[in-house]
Amino acid sequence: QKEVEQNSGPLSVPEGAIASLNCTYSDRGSQSFFWYRQYSGKSPELIMFIYSNGDKEDGRFTAQLNKASQYVSLLIRDSQPSDSATYLCAVKAPRGNEKLTFGTGTRLTIIP
Amino acid sequence: EAGVAQSPRYKIIEKRQSVAFWCNPISGHATLYWYQQILGQGPKLLIQFQNNGVVDDSQLPKDRFSAERLKGVDSTLKIQPAKLEDSAVYLCASSFGTGNYGYTFGSGTRLTVV
Repeated sequence: QKEVEQNSGPLSVPEGAIASLNCTYSDRGSQSFFWYRQYSGKSPELIMFIYSNGDKEDGRFTAQLNKASQYVSLLIRDSQPSDSATYLCAVKAPRGNEKLTFGTGTRLTIIP
Repeated sequence: EAGVAQSPRYKIIEKRQSVAFWCNPISGHATLYWYQQILGQGPKLLIQFQNNGVVDDSQLPKDRFSAERLKGVDSTLKIQPAKLEDSAVYLCASSFGTGNYGYTFGSGTRLTVV
């Protein structure tokens, strides 16, 4: 089982709709969770992080965390063509091993 | 604040040659990471430094890869000799402390081994 799993996509969403990106992780002791956006040929850029169960909102982005189900999601409301990118889920290990482990990413395409 | 600086931006070498990448982290960031990102995959941690000490190098192929961070600031990642499967983007990232608020990545070095 991979440590961090994402559906590689591609995920196509009409402009203005809600894009939903999902991620599951294997280490139940994981502490914090990150979403990065990566445009083609560019480096990853941090969008959001979340530590606690529930929702965290930042503008058009909402991160959702369910530790019992070991599940993290990212919702993008009012999707724009500029949101077309690969979205990487990253998980920070429990104390003693502070590295971020990344999933393979989900490629999102917003259709005008 | 200035971002994470990396050079070169691109590098093409033949297999069995050697190559080195340089990274300068954000000022004040004690933790520095080197990640390898193969096309279509997520970044994979190669090595993590805290100041100038190695915290994690469990996934670094030590028979051919080496890294150092002198004086706890700049870092260099070296591959010698390179193999075709080393073709990837090498990303340097830094964080303040243990990265509780995520990392900031540099622009990366795209390595092609032919």
